Amino acid sequence: EIVLTQSPATLSLSPGERATLSCRASQSISNYLAWYQHRPGQAPRLLIYDASNRATAIPARFSGSGSGTDFTLTISSLEPEDFAVYYCQHRSNWPPLTFGGGTKVEIK
Amino acid sequence: QMHLVESGGGVVQPGRSLRLSCAASGFAFSTYAIHWVRQAPGKGLEWVAVISTDGSIKHYADSVRGRFTISRDNSHNMVYLQMNSLRTDDTALYYCARDKAWGWFDPWGQGTLVTVSS
Repeated sequence: EIVLTQSPATLSLSPGERATLSCRASQSISNYLAWYQHRPGQAPRLLIYDASNRATAIPARFSGSGSGTDFTLTISSLEPEDFAVYYCQHRSNWPPLTFGGGTKVEIK
Repeated sequence: QMHLVESGGGVVQPGRSLRLSCAASGFAFSTYAIHWVRQAPGKGLEWVAVISTDGSIKHYADSVRGRFTISRDNSHNMVYLQMNSLRTDDTALYYCARDKAWGWFDPWGQGTLVTVSS
């Protein structure tokens, strides 16, 4: 089973600042990585798939990069609605599909 | 507008059964695989199961294999999760999600809460 480790667990930032979230895989997963945003009380939302492709209707301030074992989600300038929990997830050599433990982006 | 709505959650005693439903609308249901994903209270996301477009392929997480069964009815745009021998650690918010590219989840429903407690 591929283990995904996200860091940091919590990121405290102010609106307008840049957020950089990390996801590391326990083995190479090529570019088979996605990022999801999960706001309290709402359904999770796909942001990025195949490491760097933005999903439908996702704003350009969200970008993904990386391949192999190290991946990054960048939010270029935080909007109030971006404060949420973010999960990475792989689809390499599955089942099972697994998620990282999440990074909470909170208002500083 | 793509839409997934889960139902069937509730409070159930350990060892009992429950069947969750996922109603889909706004897209060509029979051409998409469907997943179940859950989130235990205060925890992260855990993939549970997937069913292919025609129901011929089913995969399960180790934690539920042998106890949970996923099925679908393409004539009614429905997916089901039959949960037997429920345990307290099955307590979670259960989401159904449409598959994208055989392994991504897009979109998700709002979830249905299952509480296993004596």
